[in-house]
Amino acid sequence: DGGITQSPKYLFRKEGQNVTLSCEQNLNHDAMYWYRQDPGQGLRLIYYSQIVNDFQKGDIAEGYSVSREKKESFPLTVTSAQKNPTAFYLCASSISGTGRNQPQHFGDGTRLSIL
Amino acid sequence: DAKTTQPNSMESNEEEPVHLPCNHSTISGTDYIHWYRQLPSQGPEYVIHGLTSNVNNRMASLAIAEDRKSSTLILHRATLRDAAVYYCILRIIQGAQKLVFGQGTRLTINP
Repeated sequence: DGGITQSPKYLFRKEGQNVTLSCEQNLNHDAMYWYRQDPGQGLRLIYYSQIVNDFQKGDIAEGYSVSREKKESFPLTVTSAQKNPTAFYLCASSISGTGRNQPQHFGDGTRLSIL
Repeated sequence: DAKTTQPNSMESNEEEPVHLPCNHSTISGTDYIHWYRQLPSQGPEYVIHGLTSNVNNRMASLAIAEDRKSSTLILHRATLRDAAVYYCILRIIQGAQKLVFGQGTRLTINP
């Protein structure tokens, strides 16, 4: 079955460490996205990529970095510059990066906590 | 970004219809209305979307007001598995498919 796989499901980080969250899709979608969700809140966009080797900052990109070297992969690095990284991180994809009538498909998320 | 307004919570009984309202008074003529739902500790799931006409799919129906300033998601026969947070979203960003989530409506289904 096609879908989006995020790993790990739970991740713990020590202060001052960088951590990388994995997101892989086998839907052959061009566009991929990273969102952050805090308790009781909606999702906020961190980064998005409309095509391989290209990505743009979303609303809350500070303290995060991404790469898009392959169509199926869009890893997110939470750097030590992100002062409040504890959150639920969600990856999504869509067929293309343009057009307003295409649904996004989400993974099941990674929950990041600070030790 | 155009904003949507939804009730914080709603409650219904199993096997009864559920009508989830959404106000979007600042919607422009080309903005699509999307609905997603999210179960606890899972990613959001696409439910339905529409522009002007009412829409039906296997999960739900979407009724859009004639002036498009409001819409209603209809679950025809709620089950316990429909208990989730439902988000009404306007897709308004040209050139990028950013979803702007509000706080959504938490739907509780009573057995």
